[in-house]
Amino acid sequence: GAVVSQHPSRVICKSGTSVKIECRSLDFQATTMFWYRQFPKKSLMLMATSNEGSKATYEQGVEKDKFLINHASLTLSTLTVTSAHPEDSSFYICSAFGQGARGYTFGSGTRLTVV
Amino acid sequence: DQQVKQNSPSLSVQEGRISILNCDYTNSMFDYFLWYKKYPAEGPTFLISISSIKDKNEDGRFTVFLNKSAKHLSLHIVPSQPGDSAVYFCAASLYNQGGKLIFGQGTELSVKP
Repeated sequence: GAVVSQHPSRVICKSGTSVKIECRSLDFQATTMFWYRQFPKKSLMLMATSNEGSKATYEQGVEKDKFLINHASLTLSTLTVTSAHPEDSSFYICSAFGQGARGYTFGSGTRLTVV
Repeated sequence: DQQVKQNSPSLSVQEGRISILNCDYTNSMFDYFLWYKKYPAEGPTFLISISSIKDKNEDGRFTVFLNKSAKHLSLHIVPSQPGDSAVYFCAASLYNQGGKLIFGQGTELSVKP
């Protein structure tokens, strides 16, 4: 079946540094990639939607200069958290939708801790 | 504005019995609904979905019911197994909004042996 590989699974970084999270669709072409954030015991909140080769569309309240999304190919999308602060600590999950995928396929998530 | 709501944060069921997870939505334009299962520190795993033109979809032990007039859907798991213990999210999508998913808050299901 469709698989999305997300790396790293967990990362700890210092305040002020940047962190890049990668999502790769392994056996299908992800024409659309969604990035979600989940706070403890909360729902998954959509941050942005990216279509291959286009600029990402951000949800209201999400800082596009802080959360940089690149979807340069049909198999790779990245989320970069720039100048991270402790309040950015969260669980980030990508979801890919594309030809050959069974609906939406989620990555395994990245636990980001900013200290 | 929570467009998709799961009002029960937790549910405990005995093994072998039926688990019923509920979900309500407010936007009558949603055209597709999905249920996901999620373990801590992992991404959601797709379980079952239903189009808005249907009222029932069944896949093995999982059945999803959709009541459009009540804007309500439910997931039935029967028989429930201890391995079903996880957080279950319902999600809804709008095709004309690029297919993005709106998630409910999740219900933590605990199936006791």
